[in-house]
Amino acid sequence: GDSVTQMEGPVTLSEEAFLTINCTYTATGYPSLFWYVQYPGEGLQLLLKATKADDKGSNKGFEATYRKETTSFHLEKGSVQVSDSAVYFCALGTSYDKVIFGPGTSLSVIP
Amino acid sequence: EAGVVQSPRYKIIEKKQPVAFWCNPISGHNTLYWYRQNLGQGPELLIRYENEEAVDDSQLPKDRFSAERLKGVDSTLKIQPAELGDSAVYLCASSWTVDSGNTIYFGEGSWLTVV
Repeated sequence: GDSVTQMEGPVTLSEEAFLTINCTYTATGYPSLFWYVQYPGEGLQLLLKATKADDKGSNKGFEATYRKETTSFHLEKGSVQVSDSAVYFCALGTSYDKVIFGPGTSLSVIP
Repeated sequence: EAGVVQSPRYKIIEKKQPVAFWCNPISGHNTLYWYRQNLGQGPELLIRYENEEAVDDSQLPKDRFSAERLKGVDSTLKIQPAELGDSAVYLCASSWTVDSGNTIYFGEGSWLTVV
């Protein structure tokens, strides 16, 4: 069945470091792919999305490219800030309107 | 534009007691979701509505959980009786089905602790 796999956390980085959080998926058809972010005590917020192969989603300095050949959607940011500390969820949206989430990767950025 | 509104934000109950959560989706969104998020895990779908019809409730524990979406707008999720393992965050979300890429928008969640 459809599923999402993310790299395990927690991830701890120093401010201004480069961030990569790996995400791979298994799906039939042509899913949409998402990254959601959850700050402490809050609900999930959409960070970025891509709806077809080779699309690049970007927002707030974060980027992810939909790679159909490797079934991946890795999240990257060139220079993280303390305010980026949160839990990041990769998700896929199936052709029948079901959204499946990965287990989340916790990121802590230290000054 | 108002986002997805949920209440209560926090609830502590004793096991075997009932509890109910309410959700008001974003205006115009015809699809409504209830997810459960256990500590340290990703959200898992409990039920999805298209307007007032439950189109996917395969993961809803129907012996103790029930949900309704009257008039295709607000929704209520109920647990009766609650068990210790029901402690989690209950997230409501909504979307406009025809939105390209079926982006869903979440409320802040209802945090349930069963003691």
